[in-house]
Amino acid sequence: AQKITQTQPGMFVQEKEAVTLDCTYDTSDPSYGLFWYKQPSSGEMIFLIYQGSYDQQNATEGRYSLNFQKARKSANLVISASQLGDSAMYFCAMREENYGGSQGNLIFGKGTKLSVKP
Amino acid sequence: EPEVTQTPSHQVTQMGQEVILRCVPISNHLYFYWYRQILGQKVEFLVSFYNNEISEKSEIFDDQFSVERPDGSNFTLKIRSTKLEDSAMYFCASSVETGGVKETQYFGPGTRLLVL
Repeated sequence: AQKITQTQPGMFVQEKEAVTLDCTYDTSDPSYGLFWYKQPSSGEMIFLIYQGSYDQQNATEGRYSLNFQKARKSANLVISASQLGDSAMYFCAMREENYGGSQGNLIFGKGTKLSVKP
Repeated sequence: EPEVTQTPSHQVTQMGQEVILRCVPISNHLYFYWYRQILGQKVEFLVSFYNNEISEKSEIFDDQFSVERPDGSNFTLKIRSTKLEDSAMYFCASSVETGGVKETQYFGPGTRLLVL
């Protein structure tokens, strides 16, 4: 079974509008972290935002916010006021704390390609 | 702002040849990782490294792969005898020591490996 599911292979959004990129996850670990990364066409992976399983509030970082619904196991990324430079692949990833506190690896979804239209 | 660097940015090699991919993690980070991304697919974990030894490895990381921290700054991934299916983007990442699920891994720009 997929641990991270991103059901939208591609999304379009008009410049200056908001867009939501979906991510659902599957874990039985009570402690986990959820991350979003951006991958522009140049290939690098850029960290955007983090949400912890015990965090009471949704994470926000500038124009990025995370709509965290723990009971539904979803962690959707919301980008407000889209810009042309937001066109990229977006990956949702999870780390589970099932290694006695050691650094666990990130598990990635397949990504969503966002295209911002002028 | 400190960043992870990787060299080379691109490498082309013949099947069966050995390649070494190099990474310089962020200087105060102590946990290091290698991931790969086959073209058009998701990013996959290969190996994590801490305190000069492998912490965890995936089933992809077989005997053809090895990692090393040869000095205080470099972290390398060696593929002993490359196969066509090793063609991918290889990412190095690092994070600080504090550990826990919230520790962010910062990625380098990647090395695009093409095996012919």
